[in-house]
Amino acid sequence: DTAVSQTPKYLVTQMGNDKSIKCEQNLGHDTMYWYKQDSKKFLKIMFSYNNKELIINETVPNRFSPKSPDKAHLNLHINSLELGDSAVYFCASSHPIGGASGNTIYFGEGSWLTVV
Amino acid sequence: GDSVTQMEGPVTLSEEAFLTINCTYTATGYPSLFWYVQYPGEGLQLLLKATKADDKGSNKGFEATYRKETTSFHLEKGSVQVSDSAVYFCALDRDDKIIFGKGTRLHILP
Repeated sequence: DTAVSQTPKYLVTQMGNDKSIKCEQNLGHDTMYWYKQDSKKFLKIMFSYNNKELIINETVPNRFSPKSPDKAHLNLHINSLELGDSAVYFCASSHPIGGASGNTIYFGEGSWLTVV
Repeated sequence: GDSVTQMEGPVTLSEEAFLTINCTYTATGYPSLFWYVQYPGEGLQLLLKATKADDKGSNKGFEATYRKETTSFHLEKGSVQVSDSAVYFCALDRDDKIIFGKGTRLHILP
């Protein structure tokens, strides 16, 4: 069974469209994340949720809105897609939060978004 | 703020060569340190970690030692294989998020 699964894996869409990427984890983790990986492979955190509550919201355009219906799911909705949104988006989960115990993050396989 | 700096790639080596990928960090306190690996077309996987000073993480022949005095966590492997070709990310854990370096692409030639 896949621990962190995200869909779709590939998405090609036109500018101005609205799209969603879904993520689910079956690890029983409390914390879930969305990371964006740009064309230079740089990984940057976008959002983090703990038990359905938003705890990290980096400087991300308002067009990006995460939704966590329960602690096993964290979906990413993107409005009015722009060319610069083209990237690989990684969902991840961890338990517990905090650094003392060595917070291992488990990643999904990524969703390749191409905006044309 | 906290940050991770790792050597820029790509790094190209012949099979069975010795590998070092440098990583240094800036952080207050004592973060946990990690190496993640991303194989072509895949997500990231934890390779190894260390949670306190002088700890050594190891996995699949890779090793890294948490050096507080030099704020470093260099990744090493004695004899690389073609299958080690991937992008390697150094990272630190600060409170409720993990901060990644920019990644180092490794090419191993047969």
